[in-house]
Amino acid sequence: DGGITQSPKYLFRKEGQNVTLSCEQNLNHDAMYWYRQDPGQGLRLIYYSQIVNDFQKGDIAEGYSVSREKKESFPLTVTSAQKNPTAFYLCASSRRIGPDTDTQYFGPGTRLTVL
Amino acid sequence: EDQVTQSPEALRLQEGESSSLNCSYTVSGLRGLFWYRQDPGKGPEFLFTLYSAGEEKEKERLKATLTKKESFLHITAPKPEDSATYLCAVQADSGGYQKVTFGTGTKLQVIP
Repeated sequence: DGGITQSPKYLFRKEGQNVTLSCEQNLNHDAMYWYRQDPGQGLRLIYYSQIVNDFQKGDIAEGYSVSREKKESFPLTVTSAQKNPTAFYLCASSRRIGPDTDTQYFGPGTRLTVL
Repeated sequence: EDQVTQSPEALRLQEGESSSLNCSYTVSGLRGLFWYRQDPGKGPEFLFTLYSAGEEKEKERLKATLTKKESFLHITAPKPEDSATYLCAVQADSGGYQKVTFGTGTKLQVIP
């Protein structure tokens, strides 16, 4: 079955540590995204990637980094510079980013808690 | 700035009691409007994409409609398993990247 997987489901981080969240898709989608979800707020875009080896900052990129070495994979690193990293992180993908509307499909999410 | 407002924030229905959720938006250059369902602790599940005013789409007990300023998600004779948070999102032209802006959702509870 095609889909998006995220791991781990739960992640605990000590202050000052960097952590990496995994996102893999087997939908053959070109575009991938990372969002952050906090209670009472809409999903906010952290980074997006249209193609391998290319990615762009979203609205709240400070304190985060990404890589896109393979089409299927788009890992997110939450660095110690992120002031308030406790949140639910969602990875999404779509066939492409272009002039036509394209639906984003989401993974199951990773809940990150800073201890 | 693109804005998406969903109402009500929460809705409690008896099983079988039909109702509608509202998503009003302010964007320039709407390309599409999306509805998702999200269960607690899970990622959003895609329901519908609407592209232009007047369009309607249906899936089981759900029907989504779109006007130039808002979208409605109609729930007919809901069942307890329809309980979830329903998210609305709009995609609009934003200088080459078609940004998707999400609302904060309507939390639906259907009571047996």
